[in-house]
Amino acid sequence: GENVEQHPSTLSVQEGDSAVIKCTYSDSASNYFPWYKQELGKRPQLIIDIRSNVGEKKDQRIAVTLNKTAKHFSLHITETQPEDSAVYFCAAPNSGGSNYKLTFGKGTLLTVNP
Amino acid sequence: EPEVTQTPSHQVTQMGQEVILRCVPISNHLYFYWYRQILGQKVEFLVSFYNNEISEKSEIFDDQFSVERPDGSNFTLKIRSTKLEDSAMYFCASRPEIYEQYFGPGTRLTVT
Repeated sequence: GENVEQHPSTLSVQEGDSAVIKCTYSDSASNYFPWYKQELGKRPQLIIDIRSNVGEKKDQRIAVTLNKTAKHFSLHITETQPEDSAVYFCAAPNSGGSNYKLTFGKGTLLTVNP
Repeated sequence: EPEVTQTPSHQVTQMGQEVILRCVPISNHLYFYWYRQILGQKVEFLVSFYNNEISEKSEIFDDQFSVERPDGSNFTLKIRSTKLEDSAMYFCASRPEIYEQYFGPGTRLTVT
């Protein structure tokens, strides 16, 4: 099955700085990579995703890059704001069939200091 | 914007009791999932459901667990005889034909 590693486990930045979170995956057939943001006690919220036919995707201050050869993908947040503080999870699906169960990384606690 | 809903938000039960967690997926979604998250840990897959049957389950999803879609809107997770280690946040998720999975707000299950 898929194995997803995520680093760092905690990340503290000053407001306005950039934050980068990295994940690696094991299944070379995986073709979809979502990122979820989870605030304390709330649901995981899909913030951005990337499919394997592109190397980068941007949505305002958030971007995701994918390196299929190296089997890693990263979340980039620019101009961080205190409301970006949350736990961020990367995930990758199993590649068998159309089930797409997600295997999550262990999460990164991002703290943006004002 | 449509959202996945779950009830109850918090369930407290005694060890050995049965619990049923309820979810209403987004209408016109085809795939349904249950995940759980033990406090402070990552989200873990439990089971997926498509076309009125289980399509995949994890090793966590043993004989004590079952899922059902009793009508066109609800999707339930039943734990027959709860154990202390079942205490966790349980998330339901649904997705349309393509990739994106949308999560419900979760049910916090506390087994005492």
